[in-house]
Amino acid sequence: EVQLVESGGGLVQPGGSLRLSCAASGFTFNNYWMTWVRRAPGKGLEWVAIIKPDGSEKYYVDSVKGRFTISRDNAKNSLFLQMNSLRAEDTAVYYCARDWELGGYRYTRLDYWGQGTLVTVSS
Amino acid sequence: DVVMTQSPLSLPVTLGQPASISCRSSQSLVYSDGNTYLTWFQQRPGQSPRRLIYKVSNRDSGVPDRFSGSGSGTDFTLKISRVEAEDVGVYYCMQATHWPPYTFGQGTKLEIK
Repeated sequence: EVQLVESGGGLVQPGGSLRLSCAASGFTFNNYWMTWVRRAPGKGLEWVAIIKPDGSEKYYVDSVKGRFTISRDNAKNSLFLQMNSLRAEDTAVYYCARDWELGGYRYTRLDYWGQGTLVTVSS
Repeated sequence: DVVMTQSPLSLPVTLGQPASISCRSSQSLVYSDGNTYLTWFQQRPGQSPRRLIYKVSNRDSGVPDRFSGSGSGTDFTLKISRVEAEDVGVYYCMQATHWPPYTFGQGTKLEIK
């Protein structure tokens, strides 16, 4: 069974940092691109970042470029999101999701999601 | 970036009645491989998003057949043939043709009248 479990959220002051983690199980993690998506209170879903299976390619939404860094540890089946220079508008529930599989034939883009972890940026 | 526009944003529906959500993109979502990467998600209150439909009209495993997706180019629709109480939540369309970034519609909140 595919499972994604996020952790690391919490309350942080503006300008502060936080590192989110996502523990993956039930599938061959190092075959899949992985994505972070967030939902701010009262708002809709927003795609944040994506990383290639070997970590060699990373892409971000413009609003987090230069502040957030996506990374992964394939030996530990883990995905991370390092968030620096946090702003009030980064307050959201952050979800990790499985994305597409290299060389796969099934369409797996965002087919499994974690339960989310809440990040609150406030003084 | 591709802009996704959903309508309506609020959708009150009587149990057992049909419901329809429109999603329009600011440019064609047909990719060079011939596929159209338009996906529908459901987010029930207090839950994570769940993928319902991928590549316009393919229903995910376990999704009731009362859900269906259709459309082409820039114009897409999610239909629920007979709304049930468990369908309450917010529905999003998302494009993954022109990325990065993936872009979502604003969301349509379905409620029971």
